[in-house]
Amino acid sequence: KNEVEQSPQNLTAQEGEFITINCSYSVGISALHWLQQHPGGGIVSLFMLSSGKKKHGRLIATINIQEKHSSLHITASHPRDSAVYICAVTNTGNQFYFGTGTSLTVIP
Amino acid sequence: EPEVTQTPSHQVTQMGQEVILRCVPISNHLYFYWYRQILGQKVEFLVSFYNNEISEKSEIFDDQFSVERPDGSNFTLKIRSTKLEDSAMYFCATTGRGNIKEKLFFGSGTQLSVL
Repeated sequence: KNEVEQSPQNLTAQEGEFITINCSYSVGISALHWLQQHPGGGIVSLFMLSSGKKKHGRLIATINIQEKHSSLHITASHPRDSAVYICAVTNTGNQFYFGTGTSLTVIP
Repeated sequence: EPEVTQTPSHQVTQMGQEVILRCVPISNHLYFYWYRQILGQKVEFLVSFYNNEISEKSEIFDDQFSVERPDGSNFTLKIRSTKLEDSAMYFCATTGRGNIKEKLFFGSGTQLSVL
C-alpha cells in the first residue's frame, strides 16, 4: 500500500514546455515536501507546503488539503531540469512517507 | 549556502560488521533525520531525532539501528550487525525548526555496500 502516489512515473518533454507532476496522498499530513534528486543521487528540497501555493523561479508548487493532492509545475522547462522529482508527506509525529518519484527528461 | 556533510561517501563492509555513518548538521539546526534509498527503489524514512531523543522511527529502524549525537555536533547512524539488505544510499537531513515549518537540507549521502 502506497501512502503517496505520483504521476506520471516518467515524463519526457521538449525544452520550453510547461510540465506538471502530480502527487496524491492518503494519510493525514502536516506538510508536503517536493524534492529533486539529481542523476548523481543528491537530493535537494524544493518546497515545503502546508497550504496554498509557493513559487520559486520557474517552479510552482500547489497543494489542496481537502483533495489530498499537490502539483509541481515547471514553466519554460530546460534540460538542466532533468531529474527525479519526489513528493514526500509528513505527519505531526515526524513520520515521512515518500512517493516513488517522477523521472523527468527535458530534451533540447 | 550552508551544507549538511556526510562521511564517508562510500563504505564497504562485510556482513555482520558494525558500521557508523556520520552527519554534520548545519550549525543551528535542531531536527535531524535519516533516510535510505535501496538502488532503484524509493526513498524510505528511517528515524527523526530532536532534543537528543528519537521522535519517530519507521518499521525499518529495528534493534540493529541506533542514532546518537555524541559530541553535540555529529549525528550518527549505527548499524550493529549489517545484513546484505542494508546495502543502500543513506541520507541525513536537518532543519532548524522542524520539517513542518521549513525545508529539509540533505547531505550528499553515504553509499553503503554490504558484502
